[in-house]
Amino acid sequence: NAGVTQTPKFQVLKTGQSMTLQCAQDMNHNSMYWYRQDPGMGLRLIYYSASEGTTDKGEVPNGYNVSRLNKREFSLRLESAAPSQTSVYFCASSGSSYNEQFFGPGTRLTVL
Amino acid sequence: DQQVKQNSPSLSVQEGRISILNCDYTNSMFDYFLWYKKYPAEGPTFLISISSIKDKNEDGRFTVFLNKSAKHLSLHIVPSQPGDSAVYFCASPQRNAGNMLTFGGGTRLMVKP
Repeated sequence: NAGVTQTPKFQVLKTGQSMTLQCAQDMNHNSMYWYRQDPGMGLRLIYYSASEGTTDKGEVPNGYNVSRLNKREFSLRLESAAPSQTSVYFCASSGSSYNEQFFGPGTRLTVL
Repeated sequence: DQQVKQNSPSLSVQEGRISILNCDYTNSMFDYFLWYKKYPAEGPTFLISISSIKDKNEDGRFTVFLNKSAKHLSLHIVPSQPGDSAVYFCASPQRNAGNMLTFGGGTRLMVKP
């Protein structure tokens, strides 16, 4: 079991460029989440998907879109990157307990 | 307004001693609390949790205490080991928002040999 995997691990973009962060889980979990971590602020939720076919906004959704491609995969897209989106992005999933979430290793994104 | 707060950004303890990490919350609807541990360049990993119907949960060297009247929880690590050096986050799921986790800002623990 790989758990939660994320690609890429690192990315540098120029302002205005677009990119998609990929996330996959092999634990048959229904719920998946995208968080960003900024210094001193803990992790903040961008979007989540409670089940396949549904997505909802979290605390900080502006500038992002998501796609729940199937039960395993949940992608995060930046259509026009801005320096304020420089952050570390974590994908997570949770099963039927709806309590514990399992996190991927993160994607470190820098927008110049 | 931060619903979960960790007021100590860092803590340094000697190997073998007790580490106490604190967390305060404001939302009385929170019914479950988790502690995550995070090493640099890795994702957070689950450490221990507690339901609001309990006031203590223990797992090996780790114990979490919950004081609901004070809206305060703490993580005790005894004895502390150098490998415990990491950032620790407390978090709670929001039931009305897809069980998204609301995180505190984290406390960096340094255990000195």
